[in-house]
Amino acid sequence: DADVTQTPRNRITKTGKRIMLECSQTKGHDRMYWYRQDPGLGLQLIYYSFDVKDINKGEISDGYSVSRQAQAKFSLSLESAIPNQTALYFCATSGEGQESSYNEQFFGPGTRLTVL
Amino acid sequence: QKEVEQDPGPLSVPEGAIVSLNCTYSNSAFQYFMWYRQYSRKGPELLMYTYSSGNKEDGRFTAQVDKSSKYISLFIRDSQPSDSATYLCAMSAGGGSNYKLTFGKGTLLTVNP
Repeated sequence: DADVTQTPRNRITKTGKRIMLECSQTKGHDRMYWYRQDPGLGLQLIYYSFDVKDINKGEISDGYSVSRQAQAKFSLSLESAIPNQTALYFCATSGEGQESSYNEQFFGPGTRLTVL
Repeated sequence: QKEVEQDPGPLSVPEGAIVSLNCTYSNSAFQYFMWYRQYSRKGPELLMYTYSSGNKEDGRFTAQVDKSSKYISLFIRDSQPSDSATYLCAMSAGGGSNYKLTFGKGTLLTVNP
C-alpha cells in the first residue's frame, strides 16, 4: 500500500461549493504539507503542519483551510470553490529518522480538482 | 530574481544520451538540495538528496552542487525512455523550523527510443 494516500483522486465541482480533500500517511511522519501545482508555476505551498497542534499558512493560503485530525491525517478544505482553484493538489509528509530528514518530503499521488 | 530558476525545457534526447538538468538559486542560506522526478499524472518522487557542495552518485544518476556558483545539476547517464518525466529541483535552508522547500518549476524530459 502507498505510504501517502489522497482522496478523492479526481473531483469536479461547481463555483461556490465547499470541498474537502483528504490525506493519510503511514510513514509515521509528524510533518505534513499541502501544495497546489499549476502548469508553468511549479509547486506552491498552501499550508503546513509540524504536529497536530501546529498549523501554519504557506505562500497561498487565501481561500483554503486545513484540519490536522491526527498525526496521520491532514485535510484541505476549499470554503467556497472558485474556477482559479482548478489545479492539481498534493499532500506531502516529512519526518526525522534513520533514513530520512525533515528536508525530504514524500508526496501523495495528487487530487485533480476542477471548479466549473 | 526568483529564488530558484529552472529551464522548463522541453528537452528531448535519444536513448543512451547523457542528460544534464540544472537549477540556479539566489538564496545563499540553502544547504539541502533535492531532485524530484514526476511522471505524468503522478506525485513527485524523491530521486536525489544532497547536503552542501559536492557530488552524489546513485546508479545512472549524479547530483552536483556548487554552492559558490549557486548552481546544482542532475546528470543522467545512459538515459532510458523510462526516464521521460518532469524533473523538479528543490532546496531548503536547513532543519528545525527551516522546513520550507523551494521548488524550481520543473524541466520536462523526453527520452526517445
